[in-house]
Amino acid sequence: AQTVTQSQPEMSVQEAETVTLSCTYDTSESDYYLFWYKQPPSRQMILVIRQEAYKQQNATENRFSVNFQKAAKSFSLKISDSQLGDGAMYFCAYRNAGKSTFGDGTTLTVKP
Amino acid sequence: GAVVSQHPSRVICKSGTSVKIECRSLDFQATTMFWYRQFPKQSLMLMATSNEGSKATYEQGVEKDKFLINHASLTLSTLTVTSAHPEDSSFYICSARDGQGTYYGYTFGSGTRLTVV
Repeated sequence: AQTVTQSQPEMSVQEAETVTLSCTYDTSESDYYLFWYKQPPSRQMILVIRQEAYKQQNATENRFSVNFQKAAKSFSLKISDSQLGDGAMYFCAYRNAGKSTFGDGTTLTVKP
Repeated sequence: GAVVSQHPSRVICKSGTSVKIECRSLDFQATTMFWYRQFPKQSLMLMATSNEGSKATYEQGVEKDKFLINHASLTLSTLTVTSAHPEDSSFYICSARDGQGTYYGYTFGSGTRLTVV
């Protein structure tokens, strides 16, 4: 079974600084997708960024970028120029054959 | 963008009663709906997967007779918690996949906080 591990239950960053959230996963598949979701206090899940496993190029979305290391099965999220609104719980997710597996989440606090 | 409307957002019910949660895809056809349960500060645990017009597939450990899922149309899926007990209190979230099966992140509903008293 696929597993997703987020080793940092909590992280904090100063406003305008950069923070990296870690994620590793375990799979025997070669074709899959990886995602980072943000869950603010409203509990609405919001897609932050996605990565196709067959693509070597790391995905970027404005201030959000990933470091995808397929051989190491690592998928970290970098948030640049952190803003107060970035404070939330972040989930790393793996998806294969339509089914998603989520990590336990990292609570990110952005300090003013 | 794609929107999934989930209702109710909060519900309090008495122990022993049943509660229905609805998820509607507003601007696309949700061929597959995933139902998750989330405890405070924890991850999303997949309960079941439903495809339009067929029976839901439940994850191991999830009671089929307790959590009834219906996906009768391409725009509506429902989760009914039958004979609810306090231990069923949780946050329930649906997530829809459209017919194209794209690689995009599936669209989530806004969740339902169920409290059984």
